[in-house]
Amino acid sequence: DAKTTQPTSMDCAEGRAANLPCNHSTISGNEYVYWYRQIHSQGPQYIIHGLKNNETNEMASLIITEDRKSSTLILPHATLRDTAVYYCIVRVDGGANFGNEKLTFGTGTRLTIIP
Amino acid sequence: DTEVTQTPKHLVMGMTNKKSLKCEQHMGHRAMYWYKQKAKKPPELMFVYSYEKLSINESVPSRFSPECPNSSLLNLHLHALQPEDSALYLCASSQEESGGARGTQYFGPGTRLLVL
Repeated sequence: DAKTTQPTSMDCAEGRAANLPCNHSTISGNEYVYWYRQIHSQGPQYIIHGLKNNETNEMASLIITEDRKSSTLILPHATLRDTAVYYCIVRVDGGANFGNEKLTFGTGTRLTIIP
Repeated sequence: DTEVTQTPKHLVMGMTNKKSLKCEQHMGHRAMYWYKQKAKKPPELMFVYSYEKLSINESVPSRFSPECPNSSLLNLHLHALQPEDSALYLCASSQEESGGARGTQYFGPGTRLLVL
């Protein structure tokens, strides 16, 4: 799976949009971009994933550049509860090898929401 | 419902003890995973079960023994652990989806293990 690069830490004011960048310049055509977050001492929480197109759900939006070498996770109105470590992960679709998929976590971005 | 439950929440054990961690999901997911997370580090994959068969073992020491007795349950049996095995042990599950990315993993809250 391709390697990802994220800033170590970021701050965002409460109520503002939090934009978390991720670089995955070696991504392959069949690799998806996944975002998870981990609030202190809890299990990672799935946020969103995408392949080529921008995606939006009730938690966040995912913007993937046209060349797919980078992406941005957007939390539209950050709250204090969004303070967490955010992981950007690139993963091959297991396809016929379902159950052989691995999530390789990098060091992530520690996002702190400032009141 | 995307709930994965893990018991116990906390566990303290001596190096000569035998204990087990339990993970359960009732979402019909057919792949289940064990991850280990040391303090201030990202989670690392240990084992994957697919359709109740072990499909990935990331060269984990034999003092960790996984078991998948049925499609809803995953156990991790612990024996003769070392203090450096103290960590948060996370379970996850995933379902093969038709179309789109397969196998989005959903995590439980973890078991925090302390080995004395």
